[in-house]
Amino acid sequence: EAGVAQSPRYKIIEKRQSVAFWCNPISGHATLYWYQQILGQGPKLLIQFQNNGVVDDSQLPKDRFSAERLKGVDSTLKIQPAKLEDSAVYLCASSLDYRDRVDYGYTFGSGTRLTVV
Amino acid sequence: GDSVTQMEGPVTLSEEAFLTINCTYTATGYPSLFWYVQYPGEGLQLLLKATKADDKGSNKGFEATYRKETTSFHLEKGSVQVSDSAVYFCASSGGSYIPTFGRGTSLIVHP
Repeated sequence: EAGVAQSPRYKIIEKRQSVAFWCNPISGHATLYWYQQILGQGPKLLIQFQNNGVVDDSQLPKDRFSAERLKGVDSTLKIQPAKLEDSAVYLCASSLDYRDRVDYGYTFGSGTRLTVV
Repeated sequence: GDSVTQMEGPVTLSEEAFLTINCTYTATGYPSLFWYVQYPGEGLQLLLKATKADDKGSNKGFEATYRKETTSFHLEKGSVQVSDSAVYFCASSGGSYIPTFGRGTSLIVHP
């Protein structure tokens, strides 16, 4: 089966600019996650969708970050305006259902590496 | 909340050497424990898992045993290869289903 697709692979922007990342999960996966992975740290969950609804966005900096999954399939994560500390890899993951344990079919994409200068 | 502590890297080994990467966790209840691997330019992949105390997870020659008494889940491999060079993440998952990841340990294996 095709994996989790993310684009772009790399992005360099200046601070205060905006940027958007796209994720297409595995077909049929109801749950989609966005993670932020800062260099030297483990991934941190930003937001979790179940179909087109938000399950958990408690760690999302809502003053500058937004995410949507309008049709319950692909998703977009946006940062506006970007700060230097937003430099990180943004990972998307999907699973069949959020009630699945993380060891069942929890698949990560390759990520988008964002550099803010 | 849950937390995971891994040994600092990078860990640099020669091919065929023995590998240990230490991992300890703090969690309420009885979490499941995981090791993920991230090869250069790729996403995280589940390497192995253990869901209860004394379980041993294993895959591709790697092993880790869930030790409740020491709250540890150390990753081991008897003979590493150059192709094992990657970043390894320990993670725990309690009732929230969302894993808590450690900082990752970079492994570099030289021929």
